[in-house]
Amino acid sequence: SQQGEEDPQALSIQEGENATMNCSYKTSINNLQWYRQNSGRGLVHLILIRSNEREKHSGRLRVTLDTSKKSSSLLITASRAADTASYFCATVKTSYDKVIFGPGTSLSVIP
Amino acid sequence: EAQVTQNPRYLITVTGKKLTVTCSQNMNHEYMSWYRQDPGLGLRQIYYSMNVEVTDKGDVPEGYKVSRKEKRNFPLILESPSPNQTSLYFCASSLSQAHNEQFFGPGTRLTVL
Repeated sequence: SQQGEEDPQALSIQEGENATMNCSYKTSINNLQWYRQNSGRGLVHLILIRSNEREKHSGRLRVTLDTSKKSSSLLITASRAADTASYFCATVKTSYDKVIFGPGTSLSVIP
Repeated sequence: EAQVTQNPRYLITVTGKKLTVTCSQNMNHEYMSWYRQDPGLGLRQIYYSMNVEVTDKGDVPEGYKVSRKEKRNFPLILESPSPNQTSLYFCASSLSQAHNEQFFGPGTRLTVL
């Protein structure tokens, strides 16, 4: 079964608004990563948060991790049309384990 | 330019005809991995490699083979492709292990008739 599940599956917002996506997982993890994918293209790494961290920032991105609830959220502030993409969370249990991706959230930012 | 390259980018083939999708990275990364992406299922890991001559099964290894004879290359082999292997395939690499940021190739869209 899948380790990561994103929520919502699809999100449509106006440019300038904030977008929040959530990811839930089932087992303990070493780290959780967020990736962006523009239509039909390869994934691009956005941010990595380790299990001993609670929050990380990178530009307009803010990621939180709650290991007690086994969940993470990705906040994109002041969204732009160029943020339109699919966003995936990926979890890694241990150093030598496989990477599990969730099914993704499709974000549409309307100009 | 640091990158992961895949070839071919598009391939249409028939059931049972052996094929290889190549993957190469120029970043001296130890970790390399193959994923397939299908609608509604996200990315699923097929095989990964921690280093040369070391490979491990991911979530969906059936019907695929890999090899890691050189650090930079990680080809994906379909010995006898079937229609259920029609998918979008991505190769990725990272500095070491699965802890790190993965760099993805542009993808290979495979259709098996």
